[in-house]
Amino acid sequence: SAVISQKPSRDICQRGTSLTIQCQVDSQVTMMFWYRQQPGQSLTLIATANQGSEATYESGFVIDKFPISRPNLTFSTLTVSNMSPEDSSIYLCSALRNENTIYFGEGSWLTVV
Amino acid sequence: KQEVTQIPAALSVPEGENLVLNCSFTDSAIYNLQWFRQDPGKGLTSLLLIQSSQREQTSGRLNASLDKSSGRSTLYIAASQPGDSATYLCAISGAGSYQLTFGKGTKLSVIP
Repeated sequence: SAVISQKPSRDICQRGTSLTIQCQVDSQVTMMFWYRQQPGQSLTLIATANQGSEATYESGFVIDKFPISRPNLTFSTLTVSNMSPEDSSIYLCSALRNENTIYFGEGSWLTVV
Repeated sequence: KQEVTQIPAALSVPEGENLVLNCSFTDSAIYNLQWFRQDPGKGLTSLLLIQSSQREQTSGRLNASLDKSSGRSTLYIAASQPGDSATYLCAISGAGSYQLTFGKGTKLSVIP
């Protein structure tokens, strides 16, 4: 099984600031994704992180708010920009290997005050 | 747009009981369906994956079924244990896509 490490695991952020979450996979994977889980809600896909090119965003999510990088096959970052309390969520990185097997990191719990 | 619904939202059972968690979806054109487990403060762990051509998968005390025509899946847990207490999430990937659409989950509590 793949091991996915996310940093930070938790953070309390000030309104108006930005935070970058890192996701490191222990081996090369074909695809990486970023999800958000707001309190009491299900997971929602933010974007697919594409290696060497711009991420593919889902409806309701834009690059200016959630810039994503994926410089290689094992690493990606998600930045939550100009945060507001509505951005308080768990942000989860996931990786796809072998077409069927999807792994998730343990999430980054952000609270915006 | 695919919508995934899980019922019940929460379930409490005594240890040793067999139980069923339900998942329904609106679009039957799916690639696969997965059941995940989420423990408090943790990420997701994949439990079972059912391809669209399959009807069920089993792993230990867990059995998941898929009925595409009715848009339903069930997760059966036999002889429940306190360690099974967690939130169980159903997720679907559409045809030609690896992106997952999740239900809100069922929070299971197994009482010793």
